[in-house]
Amino acid sequence: AQSVAQPEDQVNVAEGNPLTVKCTYSVSGNPYLFWYVQYPNRGLQFLLKYITGDNLVKGSYGFEAEFNKSQTSFHLKKPSALVSDSALYFCAVRGPQRGNTGKLIFGQGTTLQVKP
Amino acid sequence: EAGVAQSPRYKIIEKRQSVAFWCNPISGHATLYWYQQILGQGPKLLIQFQNNGVVDDSQLPKDRFSAERLKGVDSTLKIQPAKLEDSAVYLCASSLVPTPTGEAFFGQGTRLTVV
Repeated sequence: AQSVAQPEDQVNVAEGNPLTVKCTYSVSGNPYLFWYVQYPNRGLQFLLKYITGDNLVKGSYGFEAEFNKSQTSFHLKKPSALVSDSALYFCAVRGPQRGNTGKLIFGQGTTLQVKP
Repeated sequence: EAGVAQSPRYKIIEKRQSVAFWCNPISGHATLYWYQQILGQGPKLLIQFQNNGVVDDSQLPKDRFSAERLKGVDSTLKIQPAKLEDSAVYLCASSLVPTPTGEAFFGQGTRLTVV
């Protein structure tokens, strides 16, 4: 079965420091991996995705993620955190294929708190 | 480009009452999803449409939940009768192409409280 795990409920980091939000996955076949961010009372916003190719994927707002096949991980990173990055982050994997589509399976989310 | 529109934003009902949510996806998006997000958890897919056909409704509690997508555009999700455990945010999302690589775009959600 496809699954995603985000081992940290919350990550705290000081503004200007690098941040990492962890994600590991379990999927049969080639993984299609996504990161979304959710601000309070808002829907999920797409940040970036890994489909194939370069293991380092760059996305919106200066975020990037590193795909590691051997460790089945897809950690979200940013070199210098901003207070405005404080939000709830979700990792997701594309699930079993039915008719060329598949549902997104989400992790439980990690709250990122960036302090001034 | 207009995003995914959902209404209402908030709804409070008593248990055993019925409720309906509406979603208008991004123009031209063939795939539409309804997700349930319970507080403290990640979103869980309830139902997925491709145009006006159902692709996946394996996690939809069909004894009380129903959804339709007439004409392959707007969609309605209904709960009848509601239970306390249905309190959650209901997210609608759409995607342009029916491939595994396409990202989904989400609406702001409807926050349902069942009392």
